[in-house]
Amino acid sequence: SQQGEEDPQALSIQEGENATMNCSYKTSINNLQWYRQNSGRGLVHLILIRSNEREKHSGRLRVTLDTSKKSSSLLITASRAADTASYFCATDPTGGGNKLTFGTGTQLKVEL
Amino acid sequence: DGGITQSPKYLFRKEGQNVTLSCEQNLNHDAMYWYRQDPGQGLRLIYYSQIVNDFQKGDIAEGYSVSREKKESFPLTVTSAQKNPTAFYLCASSRTGLERPQHFGDGTRLSIL
Repeated sequence: SQQGEEDPQALSIQEGENATMNCSYKTSINNLQWYRQNSGRGLVHLILIRSNEREKHSGRLRVTLDTSKKSSSLLITASRAADTASYFCATDPTGGGNKLTFGTGTQLKVEL
Repeated sequence: DGGITQSPKYLFRKEGQNVTLSCEQNLNHDAMYWYRQDPGQGLRLIYYSQIVNDFQKGDIAEGYSVSREKKESFPLTVTSAQKNPTAFYLCASSRTGLERPQHFGDGTRLSIL
C-alpha cells in the first residue's frame, strides 16, 4: 500500500534557487530514505535518515524528519538544471524488514 | 563496475502471452525486489526475495510470478492473468538488515500489442 504522500506533485524553479519537497507517512518507521529518478531511468538513493535523527546533510541536500508529525522534507540548495528529476521518499516501516513503501513523488524542474 | 542489469529495455506483449523480464545483479546482495511504476505514481512492490530459493508476495503480486534460483538473478514473469500489464518495471537489490539502501536497475517498459 502507498504510505507516503508527497507535496507538491510538481515544482518549477530557476537555477540557483532552493527547492523544498515534503513527504508525509502513516505508520512508525525505522528510517526514511529519499531517492531521485531521472526520466526513464531507475531510482538512485540520495540520503537515509534514522527515526531518532531530526536532520541530516549531504552536500547540497538537507533532510529533516519529524516523527511526531510523521513528515519529512528534502531541501536542495542552489539548484542546478541537472537536478531536474523526480524525487521520492520511501519509508522503512517498523518490523518491515527493509520492505520500503514509496511515496508518489515530486517532479522538480530547474530552469536556466 | 557493480550494478543491476535489466533486460530488455522495451518489451511488447500479445494478448494471452506470458513474458519474462530479466534482472541480474553483481553487487553480492542477498535481497532483491520487483516494483511496478505507473505514470504519475510511486513504486508498488510486486515480489521480493531475501535469500535464494525463497520469495514473498508484495502488495500487487496477482498476475505475476518470480523465481530465485541464483543469488544474482531474480526474473519476473508477467502472466496472461495480469490484465493491465502496461507499466515500467523496476528491479532493485540490497543487503539485508536495517538501513540498507536499495540499488535499482534502469527498468523495463512493457506495453501491450
